[in-house]
Amino acid sequence: QKEVEQNSGPLSVPEGAIASLNCTYSDRGSQSFFWYRQYSGKSPELIMFIYSNGDKEDGRFTAQLNKASQYVSLLIRDSQPSDSATYLCAVMLSGNTPLVFGKGTRLSVIA
Amino acid sequence: NAGVTQTPKFQVLKTGQSMTLQCAQDMNHNSMYWYRQDPGMGLRLIYYSASEGTTDKGEVPNGYNVSRLNKREFSLRLESAAPSQTSVYFCASSEVLAGGHNEQFFGPGTRLTVL
Repeated sequence: QKEVEQNSGPLSVPEGAIASLNCTYSDRGSQSFFWYRQYSGKSPELIMFIYSNGDKEDGRFTAQLNKASQYVSLLIRDSQPSDSATYLCAVMLSGNTPLVFGKGTRLSVIA
Repeated sequence: NAGVTQTPKFQVLKTGQSMTLQCAQDMNHNSMYWYRQDPGMGLRLIYYSASEGTTDKGEVPNGYNVSRLNKREFSLRLESAAPSQTSVYFCASSEVLAGGHNEQFFGPGTRLTVL
């Protein structure tokens, strides 16, 4: 059974701080890693994906991947109240297999 | 370009009733998916279709059937609804691009209550 683990939170950070969201996965053969944001009552939307070890930056977001440790993280710099949402980590074994989702981490950014 | 659409948005059923959730995508994607989301449980895959004419079971297929009607449409049927099927149902579609990138796009969801 492929598993993706996330701390459910809530993770509370003050406005302007860095929010750090973590995810571990069980299948060492996993190739692609995704972070989705889901606002309450809405559908998930993709914010970052990463394939290679290291960091990938997109605006205020940085995804970090360490395949040896089977660990992927998302950093949100200069956190804003509008970043308050549930963040879902998802993992794909290969290009045409369904995503396996973690249960999500609820982030609350306090103004 | 509507992306992924789902109907209905809300539905209340009585135990034992049947219904079909409809999903359509206009992005010409090959793969389509049905998930359910329950509080504290994340997104769990019910069924998926890697291409027109094929369907496969996901993590929680019991009590559901699917039909990939054509490339655009993928429906989910509850033959005899049970209270345990009260959930939010999301349809998604994706395409594998060069380099293996596969972005999944989600529909707005159907909120189903079974009494």
